[in-house]
Amino acid sequence: AQSVTQPDIHITVSEGASLELRCNYSYGATPYLFWYVQSPGQGLQLLLKYFSGDTLVQGIKGFEAEFKRSQSSFNLRKPSVHWSDAAEYFCAVAPGGRRALTFGSGTRLQVQP
Amino acid sequence: ETGVTQTPRHLVMGMTNKKSLKCEQHLGHNAMYWYKQSAKKPLELMFVYSLEERVENNSVPSRFSPECPNSSHLFLHLHTLQPEDSALYLCASSQGAASSEAFFGQGTRLTVV
Repeated sequence: AQSVTQPDIHITVSEGASLELRCNYSYGATPYLFWYVQSPGQGLQLLLKYFSGDTLVQGIKGFEAEFKRSQSSFNLRKPSVHWSDAAEYFCAVAPGGRRALTFGSGTRLQVQP
Repeated sequence: ETGVTQTPRHLVMGMTNKKSLKCEQHLGHNAMYWYKQSAKKPLELMFVYSLEERVENNSVPSRFSPECPNSSHLFLHLHTLQPEDSALYLCASSQGAASSEAFFGQGTRLTVV
């Protein structure tokens, strides 16, 4: 069965610093990959997705993610974090067929002034 | 109104009550989902409906009963819940249940007392 691992439960960065959130997946083939963000008390908003093609994908709010097949990873990055980026970030995979997304346990991002 | 709308946003119910959560999507999608989000746990997929037919049910207790009367509406009927059922219940929709990006509602925060 497919699984998603987000090794970091909680990350704190200073405003203006760069950010990388890790995501590893376990699946036999290349799944579809997603990053979502959730602000407190809100639903999930899609940041970006990877289906095929260029392994570096651009998303909203200045985020990007890189798919690395050899490492089974899909890490999320942002060159300069803003205070408004404080939220919880979820990596998700979709294995294809009539199957819904499987989510990682999330990484809570705190931004220090 | 656009997107995915969930009502109510907050619900407090006793263990002997019966209540229903409502989800409505205005995106023209044909698949809808219920997820449960508990503190410190990954999002748990509860039910998937595709073209109004239930295609996935992840061993959810029978005290949760979904209903999908048409492609735009999804309900979750609740009865004789337990305190551990307190959580954020998220509805999502997508175009097709096959690995498509999901759009989420803001959730219903349920507290069982």
